[in-house]
Amino acid sequence: AQSVSQHNHHVILSEAASLELGCNYSYGGTVNLFWYVQYPGQHLQLLLKYFSGDPLVKGIKGFEAEFIKSKFSFNLRKPSVQWSDTAEYFCAANPSNTGNQFYFGTGTSLTVIP
Amino acid sequence: ETGVTQSPTHLIKTRGQQVTLRCSSQSGHNTVSWYQQALGQGPQFIFQYYREEENGRGNFPPRFSGLQFPNYSSELNVNALELDDSALYLCASSMGGNTEAFFGQGTRLTVV
Repeated sequence: AQSVSQHNHHVILSEAASLELGCNYSYGGTVNLFWYVQYPGQHLQLLLKYFSGDPLVKGIKGFEAEFIKSKFSFNLRKPSVQWSDTAEYFCAANPSNTGNQFYFGTGTSLTVIP
Repeated sequence: ETGVTQSPTHLIKTRGQQVTLRCSSQSGHNTVSWYQQALGQGPQFIFQYYREEENGRGNFPPRFSGLQFPNYSSELNVNALELDDSALYLCASSMGGNTEAFFGQGTRLTVV
């Protein structure tokens, strides 16, 4: 069965620290990968997406992610976090033969301390 | 704002009752998906509609059902509510396969 694993459940960082959130997916075929962010009280927003091509993708607000096919990973990174990055982060996989069926990880809660 | 609107925003129901949740998709989007997000969990795929037909379903029982209308808006119906159905229900719309999905703010359902 398809699944997405996020290894970090809660992360606490000071402002300006670097961030890396892990994501691994389990699916043998072609898969599209996404990172979504959910700020408190708000809807899920897309940070970045990978469909094909350059495995290093850049998203909004200085976030980037690297697709490593051999490791089935799609880790999210940001060189320097800000207090406003405090939110819940979700990795999601969309097997390309399933339309828009997304499989989400359990999420990582990020708290950035000013 | 994503252009995807859901109603109502909050709802309290009694165990055994039935509930209908509504979603208006973003203009031009023909695919709607529904997700259940329990507290502390990631969204779980319920089902998907494309041009008024269900074309994918997750591991949810038949008492979860849906509809998509000609204007691509959608309903999620849940019969015989159970306490474990308490969750945030999210609707997402898109232009079809292999495209970005846009999520609404969700309906918070509490079953007592």
